[in-house]
Amino acid sequence: QITLKESGPSLVEPTQTLTLTCSFSGFSLSSSGVGVGWIRQPPGKALEWLALLYWNTDKRYSPSLNGRLTITEDTSKNRVMLTMTKVDPVDTATYYCAHRLDIGADDVFDVWGPGTMVTVS
Amino acid sequence: EIVMTQSPAILSVSPGESATLSCRASQNVYRFLAWYQQKPGQAPRLLIYAASTRAADIPARFSGSGSGTEFTLTITRLQSEDFAVYYCQQYSGWPPKITFGPGTKVDI
Repeated sequence: QITLKESGPSLVEPTQTLTLTCSFSGFSLSSSGVGVGWIRQPPGKALEWLALLYWNTDKRYSPSLNGRLTITEDTSKNRVMLTMTKVDPVDTATYYCAHRLDIGADDVFDVWGPGTMVTVS
Repeated sequence: EIVMTQSPAILSVSPGESATLSCRASQNVYRFLAWYQQKPGQAPRLLIYAASTRAADIPARFSGSGSGTEFTLTITRLQSEDFAVYYCQQYSGWPPKITFGPGTKVDI
């Protein structure tokens, strides 16, 4: 059974750097086709994709975040981290990590963590 | 960036009826289109990917269709647990520039 869970600070001051951790189980990031993505959702608003880390260490980012994101992995501990620099109140959102569907080449997310709410203030 | 739009914003239906939700892409996304369901306080749930393939354990009353720029999610025989917000997501191109639509709320 695949599970993911996000963790990190609930409150961050503007201009600071935010680091979130996704702890997962039930799959290996070294297995072909596997990936972990980060998606966020401001209160009452739509989903926004942020980053995606693939099994082959390829990393992709949303261009709208203008280079503020870094996604890294700690394979030995089954964790994926997302770092966001220069946070602003508009970054206030629930942040989700999710498992990339590993059948075929579809960049969609079939298992999600419960999310962690981050307030920038 | 590919912009996704969804209509209607709110769809009022009764249990047992059918619902048809639309998603439009600002440019051709072929069949690289997924649908998610989100209930209040919960993470999204993948329903459909590749425009029409149901994800694991998704009931047959959910079906997707379309290609190019126009897509539809149809829910037949709506049940009480189907009242939620539905998002479409495109994932066309490489490198990926994944974008979501604004959502359609299916309401009683």
